[in-house]
Amino acid sequence: AQTVTQSQPEMSVQEAETVTLSCTYDTSESDYYLFWYKQPPSRQMILVIRQEAYKQQNATENRFSVNFQKAAKSFSLKISDSQLGDAAMYFCAYGYGGSQGNLIFGKGTKLSVKP
Amino acid sequence: DVKVTQSSRYLVKRTGEKVFLECVQDMDHENMFWYRQDPGLGLRLIYFSYDVKMKEKGDIPEGYSVSREKKERFSLILESASTNQTSMYLCASSLLAVDTQYFGPGTRLTVL
Repeated sequence: AQTVTQSQPEMSVQEAETVTLSCTYDTSESDYYLFWYKQPPSRQMILVIRQEAYKQQNATENRFSVNFQKAAKSFSLKISDSQLGDAAMYFCAYGYGGSQGNLIFGKGTKLSVKP
Repeated sequence: DVKVTQSSRYLVKRTGEKVFLECVQDMDHENMFWYRQDPGLGLRLIYFSYDVKMKEKGDIPEGYSVSREKKERFSLILESASTNQTSMYLCASSLLAVDTQYFGPGTRLTVL
């Protein structure tokens, strides 16, 4: 069975600094997708970034980038120049074509940003 | 922009009541999902639907049912609410299978 593990329940970063959130997953599939979602306090969950497993290039979205290590089954999220608005729960998620669309989510990492 | 709306942000019900949570998306998405979110457990899939009148059980379907009579609307039903169903319920939709899912704001349900 596929699983997604986020080993850091909570993390903290100073404003303007860089932080990396960890995610590992377990799968026997070769073609799949990985996602990072952000859930600000009392606000809607939104997509931060997605990565297709067949793409070797790491996805980037402004200050957010991933380090995708397929062989190691690792998918970490790097947030550069952290801002107060980055404070949120971050969820890593996995999905593959045979699943009819449902994603498997990690338990989340709560990120605090200190001014 | 995709918009997913949920009928209530906060809901308080009594044990044994029948509870309806409704979700509507406005982007003609094929797939819709209901998740339950609890602290320390992440998101767990209750049910999903890949077409009108089609439904599939997720990881924790016990005590829940769903209905999808129209493409844009996906309802979650608690037949007889129990206190252990107190939780945050999130609805999501996606255009394709294994695609970006767009989430609603959530319904925080308290069962007394």
